[in-house]
Amino acid sequence: KNEVEQSPQNLTAQEGEFITINCSYSVGISALHWLQQHPGGGIVSLFMLSSGKKKHGRLIATINIQEKHSSLHITASHPRDSAVYICAVYSGSARQLTFGSGTQLTVLP
Amino acid sequence: DAGITQSPRHKVTETGTPVTLRCHQTENHRYMYWYRQDPGHGLRLIHYSYGVKDTDKGEVSDGYSVSRSKTEDFLLTLESATSSQTSVYFCAIRAALTDSGNTIYFGEGSWLTVV
Repeated sequence: KNEVEQSPQNLTAQEGEFITINCSYSVGISALHWLQQHPGGGIVSLFMLSSGKKKHGRLIATINIQEKHSSLHITASHPRDSAVYICAVYSGSARQLTFGSGTQLTVLP
Repeated sequence: DAGITQSPRHKVTETGTPVTLRCHQTENHRYMYWYRQDPGHGLRLIHYSYGVKDTDKGEVSDGYSVSRSKTEDFLLTLESATSSQTSVYFCAIRAALTDSGNTIYFGEGSWLTVV
């Protein structure tokens, strides 16, 4: 069993829809990242969370440490949000990240 | 982007040849990582470094070696390239945030094809 599980693996939405991507992990963590990867490869960190909730523009990330679960929400989705979203956690010595397999999001106009 | 550059960005090489990928940073961050990304596997850690001459293995380190002789450069070497090492390789650095915690920056990737 992977230490970091994401769902869904693929998601297609219409422009304007509210989107939720989930991440569950099985180990104790010190922090969690949500990453975005566009076609062509570039990977950027959207959020780093250790507790609670963070918001940046139309993106909201939440984490529940007790339930070992995090969600990434996109409000008023747009075709430019189409990308792979990856959850990653720092665990153990916190020197390394463990990655989920990613969620491919496609937003249709 | 924390001034990360990877080179080469694309390379085709023959089986059995050595290949070195370079990751260069301009901001003196201590932690540097090499990952490979393959369909169905996501990002997997090859090696990482926590300082000059301090490196450690990741989960897929077989067939790879690394060196970090100065803070700004982290080199990944495929000692004798095999077709199973065809992949996209990403360098990353871990950077402290001014308020709290840290973030991670990725290089743009190096596409390696072993024929």
